Amino acid sequence: ETGVTQTPRHLVMGMTNKKSLKCEQHLGHNAMYWYKQSAKKPLELMFVYSLEERVENNSVPSRFSPECPNSSHLFLHLHTLQPEDSALYLCASSQGFGTGVKQPQHFGDGTRLSIL
Amino acid sequence: GQSLEQPSEVTAVEGAIVQINCTYQTSGFYGLSWYQQHDGGAPTFLSYNALDGLEETGRFSSFLSRSDSYGYLLLQELQMKDSASYFCAVSGGATNKLIFGTGTLLAVQP
Repeated sequence: ETGVTQTPRHLVMGMTNKKSLKCEQHLGHNAMYWYKQSAKKPLELMFVYSLEERVENNSVPSRFSPECPNSSHLFLHLHTLQPEDSALYLCASSQGFGTGVKQPQHFGDGTRLSIL
Repeated sequence: GQSLEQPSEVTAVEGAIVQINCTYQTSGFYGLSWYQQHDGGAPTFLSYNALDGLEETGRFSSFLSRSDSYGYLLLQELQMKDSASYFCAVSGGATNKLIFGTGTLLAVQP
């Protein structure tokens, strides 16, 4: 139990569908992140939120739309995805930002997304 | 650009010591972290180095040399449960974002 819960654990969708991934953290953190993990590739940062404000968008296509209604919840809305978007999507949270200070990120178990 | 390099696979036996190296090239650097990920699971934080030297946490130690852009994770008294992927990650920028390496798959054999 990492304190970060992601739902659903698995999702299969067609390219024309719209779905959302949900992340909830129970750690009292104020920063949240979305990462994409594809086979044979490093984890790729997608978005960073601090106190519900998006502070980083790592050149992610607009078919991925994040939403952070409060500091405990983070969503990733998906629409018109492509087969290459099939991957494990990981959510993480941290206490905040600090240069040179240990601020470990706590990850959820991820959502395994398959695009047909 | 930013990149991190680490070996793709390492094999060791129970009770042994293994070192996983990581070299990095980044435009901004605040620290080097290590994460463990068992197959299909959440990456979990192991250690963090912001300054040169060795940090020890139980059986795991991590080392950083900022001048060499190099670090390593040292795992001692290996156990079967240590079989997992290990990722180094650089913290860069004001948003605490992590840039990850491609991961090292450690296989511990009896």
